[in-house]
Amino acid sequence: DQQVKQNSPSLSVQEGRISILNCDYTNSMFDYFLWYKKYPAEGPTFLISISSIKDKNEDGRFTVFLNKSAKHLSLHIVPSQPGDSAVYFCAATQTGTASKLTFGTGTRLQVTL
Amino acid sequence: EPEVTQTPSHQVTQMGQEVILRCVPISNHLYFYWYRQILGQKVEFLVSFYNNEISEKSEIFDDQFSVERPDGSNFTLKIRSTKLEDSAMYFCASSVIRTYEQYFGPGTRLTVT
Repeated sequence: DQQVKQNSPSLSVQEGRISILNCDYTNSMFDYFLWYKKYPAEGPTFLISISSIKDKNEDGRFTVFLNKSAKHLSLHIVPSQPGDSAVYFCAATQTGTASKLTFGTGTRLQVTL
Repeated sequence: EPEVTQTPSHQVTQMGQEVILRCVPISNHLYFYWYRQILGQKVEFLVSFYNNEISEKSEIFDDQFSVERPDGSNFTLKIRSTKLEDSAMYFCASSVIRTYEQYFGPGTRLTVT
């Protein structure tokens, strides 16, 4: 039941460059998407979200793009910093009361000096 | 900044024993959730809770599991008779009524031996 997929288990990027993390979903009922960052031994930390009525949302160094027709979203981090090294999870939900999040498997980002 | 807290950080129990995992959600949040992450796998939804009752539960959340909000601040997950396969990180999360961003606690690592 892989409704949310992150096909790249890992990504290595040099400091200062752009990091692009990708996510695909199959459930067309999803209408709200989120990115979380997770460090070892900590809980997921909310980063940025996007509603299906938008195709882009930006917050500082983080931008999320949504392509509804392709059921694809991506997270861009510019410029990448060593502190960005973590596991990034894409999550999706169908808006409504007490919406559960469906997570992808995560992408481990390593930002090198 | 307000945060979700969870206790204990690590719980070791023998198979068949009951465990209670505790969470203190963010104070003005109204929706509460439990998720779990088995080592190496993705974060999975267990249950959502609103207005003192379960809103939604997953197939994982069988009769061995229960949730309770015993007072105005705590939110608990009880596993009546633990099994080896219940070993996982358990995350509590909360959200306000009108947004879908869920804020996660640091997790409780449950080890069933």
